[in-house]
Amino acid sequence: ETGVTQTPRHLVMGMTNKKSLKCEQHLGHNAMYWYKQSAKKPLELMFVYNFKEQTENNSVPSRFSPECPNSSHLFLHLHTLQPEDSALYLCASSGLVPTDTQYFGPGTRLTVL
Amino acid sequence: DAKTTQPPSMDCAEGRAANLPCNHSTISGNEYVYWYRQIHSQGPQYIIHGLKNNETNEMASLIITEDRKSSTLILPHATLRDTAVYYCIVRVAVNNQFYFGTGTSLTVIP
Repeated sequence: ETGVTQTPRHLVMGMTNKKSLKCEQHLGHNAMYWYKQSAKKPLELMFVYNFKEQTENNSVPSRFSPECPNSSHLFLHLHTLQPEDSALYLCASSGLVPTDTQYFGPGTRLTVL
Repeated sequence: DAKTTQPPSMDCAEGRAANLPCNHSTISGNEYVYWYRQIHSQGPQYIIHGLKNNETNEMASLIITEDRKSSTLILPHATLRDTAVYYCIVRVAVNNQFYFGTGTSLTVIP
């Protein structure tokens, strides 16, 4: 247990569905992150939030929409996804000091049919 | 740009030390080296990090060369549960972000 939880752990959705991934951290951190990990590829940073404000968007398509209502919760809203979006989606959190470690959740395994 | 280079795979006998190398020749003076590992389809797990000095914790030791262009992660007594992909990461100072490469797939052999 790292103090970062993600739900659901597995999700299967059609291309026309709308779903949301949820991340919650119990570590008192002020930065939260979404990463995507496709098969046989390195982790790709998608979004970064510091104090609920989005500070990084790594050219992610608009069919992925993040939301950070407070420093403990992070959502990733999904709509009209493509099969190539199937991947492991990982949430992480950290403090804001440069040496603070990122702690990862267990991930959500997403399959788009 | 991952900024690090690691061998794609390594084997280690159970009970022996596993030494995982990493090259980071373009590292800047204020950038830290981090090590994480990922067991199949789970979230990456933090292992250790360092700047200049060698570091040790309950999981591993990190040896950083004097010129900081490379480092070695040492698992002193590898067990079967240490089989995982190990990522060496340079934390970019300008934005504090982690950039994961493809890592080293370590297999501990009974």
